[in-house]
Amino acid sequence: GAGVSQSPSNKVTEKGKDVELRCDPISGHTALYWYRQSLGQGLEFLIYFQGNSAPDKSGLPSDRFSAERTGGSVSTLTIQRTQQEDSAVYLCASSLKRGTGELFFGEGSRLTVL
Amino acid sequence: KQEVTQIPAALSVPEGENLVLNCSFTDSAIYNLQWFRQDPGKGLTSLLLIQSSQREQTSGRLNASLDKSSGRSTLYIAASQPGDSATYLCAVRFNTDKLIFGTGTRLQVFP
Repeated sequence: GAGVSQSPSNKVTEKGKDVELRCDPISGHTALYWYRQSLGQGLEFLIYFQGNSAPDKSGLPSDRFSAERTGGSVSTLTIQRTQQEDSAVYLCASSLKRGTGELFFGEGSRLTVL
Repeated sequence: KQEVTQIPAALSVPEGENLVLNCSFTDSAIYNLQWFRQDPGKGLTSLLLIQSSQREQTSGRLNASLDKSSGRSTLYIAASQPGDSATYLCAVRFNTDKLIFGTGTRLQVFP
């Protein structure tokens, strides 16, 4: 695609429900990142995928968070048993090259947990 | 700890002024540094990417410099316009594959 595509753009859910956020990276980009941006806060790294390598999960805040990337393309971030503190904008980015590549971001998925 | 700091946190200037936004980082061992712009409620737009071997990059009215030895980068905006109003984020790729972001400078350019 022309850019990084994320869906849904907005999601409102009740505390305790599971949510799935989707990211479709730029075609041909091997690196994919998930970041979280809470209100008034900076961007917090969550997880990184590079090709077929094991993902870097070091930023996931708890075991309620997981992500997968199928076929080296589309990625899904899953949050189980959502809590109010999970409310944030979840941003996905992709990069053509590992290490030196420029990152391109999607518009984000705004999650509100009531 | 690898950290990225941006000052000032907010800046309000009249149209036409030349601006300098600052970014400082711990640890001079970096792969690259990237400047982004974020409009309210939107994602991040890449402005400039500077590799560790480069000292500056230019795009239109924007110029970004990199001084690894002092752990600093500056984003220079020439002849600012109201359309430049946004939050500007600096992100550093240290010797890992993830970018560490600063908390941004919120810029307002008024007519």
